[in-house]
Amino acid sequence: KNEVEQSPQNLTAQEGEFITINCSYSVGISALHWLQQHPGGGIVSLFMLSSGKKKHGRLIATINIQEKHSSLHITASHPRDSAVYICAVYTSGTYKYIFGTGTRLKVLA
Amino acid sequence: DSGVTQTPKHLITATGQRVTLRCSPRSGDLSVYWYQQSLDQGLQFLIQYYNGEERAKGNILERFSAQQFPDLHSELNLSSLELGDSALYFCASSFQTGLDTQYFGPGTRLTVL
Repeated sequence: KNEVEQSPQNLTAQEGEFITINCSYSVGISALHWLQQHPGGGIVSLFMLSSGKKKHGRLIATINIQEKHSSLHITASHPRDSAVYICAVYTSGTYKYIFGTGTRLKVLA
Repeated sequence: DSGVTQTPKHLITATGQRVTLRCSPRSGDLSVYWYQQSLDQGLQFLIQYYNGEERAKGNILERFSAQQFPDLHSELNLSSLELGDSALYFCASSFQTGLDTQYFGPGTRLTVL
């Protein structure tokens, strides 16, 4: 079993839909990062969370430390949101990063 | 543009060879991270340097080594290359630690023939 699991692996949505991507982890962490990888390969950091909730534009990220679970929500999805979304945990004590396998999102116009 | 630069963008070489990938972090960032992304294994953390010193080591093979220089740029050296080393290699930088936002470079695509 992977230490960081993401679901779903693939997601197709219609423009305007509310989208949720989930990340569960089994290790102790200091922080959790959500990354976006564009079709061209470039990676952008969306959020870094150690507790609670963060919002940036149409994106919302939440984390529940006790349940070892985080969610990334996209409201009013748009075709330009089509990308791979990757969850990464920064482990406590060892300062290493462990990545989920990513969620490939396609938003149709 | 993240402010992180990586050279070269593409590299094609043969098995058994040695290559050096270079990364310049964002101005003011002290930490540099190296990652490998292959089709079958996804993104993997290789190593982190902070202000010239190794801070954390991930799944970095013994054939690979890295260093961060006084001007804070970093190099990743890959030797005795194998076909399985073909991958995208990303560098990222952050102000200090893993609790800071990371800014990713555009990556170096390595092809080993």
